[in-house]
Amino acid sequence: GEDVEQSLFLSVREGDSSVINCTYTDSSSTYLYWYKQEPGAGLQLLTYIFSNMDMKQDQRLTVLLNKKDKHLSLRIADTQTGDSAIYFCAESIYGGFKTIFGAGTRLFVKA
Amino acid sequence: EAGVAQSPRYKIIEKRQSVAFWCNPISGHATLYWYQQILGQGPKLLIQFQNNGVVDDSQLPKDRFSAERLKGVDSTLKIQPAKLEDSAVYLCASSALTYTGELFFGEGSRLTVL
Repeated sequence: GEDVEQSLFLSVREGDSSVINCTYTDSSSTYLYWYKQEPGAGLQLLTYIFSNMDMKQDQRLTVLLNKKDKHLSLRIADTQTGDSAIYFCAESIYGGFKTIFGAGTRLFVKA
Repeated sequence: EAGVAQSPRYKIIEKRQSVAFWCNPISGHATLYWYQQILGQGPKLLIQFQNNGVVDDSQLPKDRFSAERLKGVDSTLKIQPAKLEDSAVYLCASSALTYTGELFFGEGSRLTVL
């Protein structure tokens, strides 16, 4: 079946790197996404990676995809207090027609 | 460009009462979604519309939940009668027919059932 799993909490110090991990089950996923949710707000797309890529870099964000292990990670360099939020991993299935979300990883950044 | 609009932001009702949530997607977005997000969990798809037709409502508890999207624009999600376990944030999202499938979310409607 379709499932996306991720750890629930991560705590880092300001200035350190954060790495949030995710595993998914559907090998036919077209795109994999990272969404960010700040308190009281909806989800906002942070970055995405196409399934035939293994890495994507976007400023402080690096996404790594291991398709063999169905493992996705998001690295945030030089983490700031403003990065404190919930980060959701998601996969698109059925040719991009449906998006499945993980439970979210709550990132705490200590000053 | 205006984002996805939802109302009300907050609603408190007693069990067995009814409630309705409204969503206005981004202009021109053909696909509209209603997700349920229970505290501590990820969003779960309730129903997906393509224009004004339903393409996936497999996770919608049809005995108490209903949704419509008249004229392919605005949408309303109704719960009647509400149960305690319906307490959640109801997120509306929309997407254009783009290659990446990005979803644009509203701020959500938080429902508390007492």
